[in-house]
Amino acid sequence: EPEVTQTPSHQVTQMGQEVILRCVPISNHLYFYWYRQILGQKVEFLVSFYNNEISEKSEIFDDQFSVERPDGSNFTLKIRSTKLEDSAMYFCASRGIAGVAKNIQYFGAGTRLSVL
Amino acid sequence: GENVEQHPSTLSVQEGDSAVIKCTYSDSASNYFPWYKQELGKGPQLIIDIRSNVGEKKDQRIAVTLNKTAKHFSLHITETQPEDSAVYFCAANRLSGTYKYIFGTGTRLKVLA
Repeated sequence: EPEVTQTPSHQVTQMGQEVILRCVPISNHLYFYWYRQILGQKVEFLVSFYNNEISEKSEIFDDQFSVERPDGSNFTLKIRSTKLEDSAMYFCASRGIAGVAKNIQYFGAGTRLSVL
Repeated sequence: GENVEQHPSTLSVQEGDSAVIKCTYSDSASNYFPWYKQELGKGPQLIIDIRSNVGEKKDQRIAVTLNKTAKHFSLHITETQPEDSAVYFCAANRLSGTYKYIFGTGTRLKVLA
């Protein structure tokens, strides 16, 4: 069964450093998402991406965050200068464009980001 | 703003008993309600979903009910098994625009053998 893959599974970084979280969405999907979950809290929407541009972003997604689809398969989330409060699990999701699958977001296993 | 409340946060049941998880949403424009199961080390996996034009949907041991008037929806698992132990998330979604999900806080279900 096709799946969304995320790398790395765990990223440890120093405060102020840049990190790039990587995702490979399901191959024929065209809508991509990032969500995050701070420990003990709910999964929160960060950003959605379609046709090479951001279609919606939350108030969490400030100027420190950016997303990119650098090639036909990867979808990345960059945090320019990490803060302690960026420590969380980050989930990538993708969605198809046709039929019932159009409603469903498929999630990766997540990247746990620890900012020290 | 948009919000989804989920209860309980943890739930322990004996194997074979039923488990019920409840969610309440605030956005009256929401019309799609998926439930995801997350096992340790894995991403959330869709287990069942319901659209607002339906009051109940069942798939083997799991069922979801929706009360649009009250903005409540619930997950019911019958004849629970140890492999049902996981974290369950509800979500609400408008099937329009970006289709972003608004998630509940999650329920950790433990099925005791």
